[in-house]
Amino acid sequence: EAQLVESGGGLVKPGGSLRLSCAASGFPFSSYSMNWVRQAPGKGLEWVSSIPSSSSLIYYADTVRGRFTISRDNAKNSLYLQMDNLRADDTAMYYCARVTGYNFNDAFDIWGQGTMVNVSS
Amino acid sequence: QLVLTQPPSASASLGASVKLTCSLSRGHSTYAIAWHQHRPEKGPRYLMRLNFDGTHSKGDGIPDRFSGSSSGAERYLTISRLQSDDEGDYYCQTWGTGIRVFGGGTKLTVL
Repeated sequence: EAQLVESGGGLVKPGGSLRLSCAASGFPFSSYSMNWVRQAPGKGLEWVSSIPSSSSLIYYADTVRGRFTISRDNAKNSLYLQMDNLRADDTAMYYCARVTGYNFNDAFDIWGQGTMVNVSS
Repeated sequence: QLVLTQPPSASASLGASVKLTCSLSRGHSTYAIAWHQHRPEKGPRYLMRLNFDGTHSKGDGIPDRFSGSSSGAERYLTISRLQSDDEGDYYCQTWGTGIRVFGGGTKLTVL
């Protein structure tokens, strides 16, 4: 069964950094494009970043570009999100999600349970 | 600009049917979308990919009670024989070059 498990969330001060991880299992991770999506308290889902299987072309939402960096290690079946210069409005549950098929631009078909990031002084 | 618009709330009675709507912005009426269910304290769950012509492919284990349809720039999710655990938030999602977009979500209440 395909599964994604996020980790690395926690409490961090404004201006601080945090690195999230997403461990994949049950499918050939190296063949799939991946994403980070977040949900702030009381808000809807917001796409954060996308990375293809080869890491060749990366997309970011305007709200995080220049502060967040997505990466992956196919040998470790892992996806990462390095978050720097964090702000209070980055407080959210962060989910990793797989893209269906072997496409880069397509639906998200597998989701993790999420890891909570709280940015507060 | 690629935008998805959803009504913030919907309700229907236990055992009845409900049709949720997702509207694509002008100029994007041929885009495919995906529907996701998000229940409290759980990760989102992929329901289906829905094409502009109404054809759709469902995720693993999604029951036949969930179906999709399309009309112009509108994309629909119909849930039949509503159950209590269908209650939650439903999001549509689409994608383009350099962008992925979610609708604002519809909160479904099962009465």
